[in-house]
Amino acid sequence: KQEVTQIPAALSVPEGENLVLNCSFTDSAIYNLQWFRQDPGKGLTSLLLIQSSQREQTSGRLNASLDKSSGRSTLYIAASQPGDSATYLCAVNGANSKLTFGKGITLSVRP
Amino acid sequence: NAGVTQTPKFQVLKTGQSMTLQCAQDMNHEYMSWYRQDPGMGLRLIHYSVGAGITDQGEVPNGYNVSRSTTEDFPLRLLSAAPSQTSVYFCASTPMSGGSYEQYFGPGTRLTVT
Repeated sequence: KQEVTQIPAALSVPEGENLVLNCSFTDSAIYNLQWFRQDPGKGLTSLLLIQSSQREQTSGRLNASLDKSSGRSTLYIAASQPGDSATYLCAVNGANSKLTFGKGITLSVRP
Repeated sequence: NAGVTQTPKFQVLKTGQSMTLQCAQDMNHEYMSWYRQDPGMGLRLIHYSVGAGITDQGEVPNGYNVSRSTTEDFPLRLLSAAPSQTSVYFCASTPMSGGSYEQYFGPGTRLTVT
């Protein structure tokens, strides 16, 4: 059974800092990995999707990498801003497009 | 495109009542699914469908029924609500062609069962 882990559960950083959010998964047989952002009381916004054959994807200040063999992905946020404060969820897409989610990392960026 | 829509946004039920959570998508995606999100548990898959007329169980299916009569709609039914079903419910859809399998989520339904 696929398990997805995101550690730490919460992170607080000063504005402007570059930061890395980690995600690990136990079964490397995946189709893709998706990073989502969730604001309090809101739905999930897709940030980046990395296919299993890719190593990384970039969107603006965000860069996500994937090392399938070691079961790891990272989300890099450059020059963090208070507006980046949210919960970041990692989800692995396995058989039959079933997503297995991590529990998320709640990020707080202090002005 | 409206994307994935869910109704209602909020609902309060009494134990034993039944209701249907609606989900619709206008992207012609074959795959649709339902998740529930609980504090400390993350999102867990309830039921999914790979196309009209085909449904299957996810990780936490007990207490929920689904059907898929059209490509667009995938309703989730609670037959006899229980307090343990208090949660936020998300519907998602995915295109099975094209190879990306990116998942698109609706805004969610917050359900409270008293």
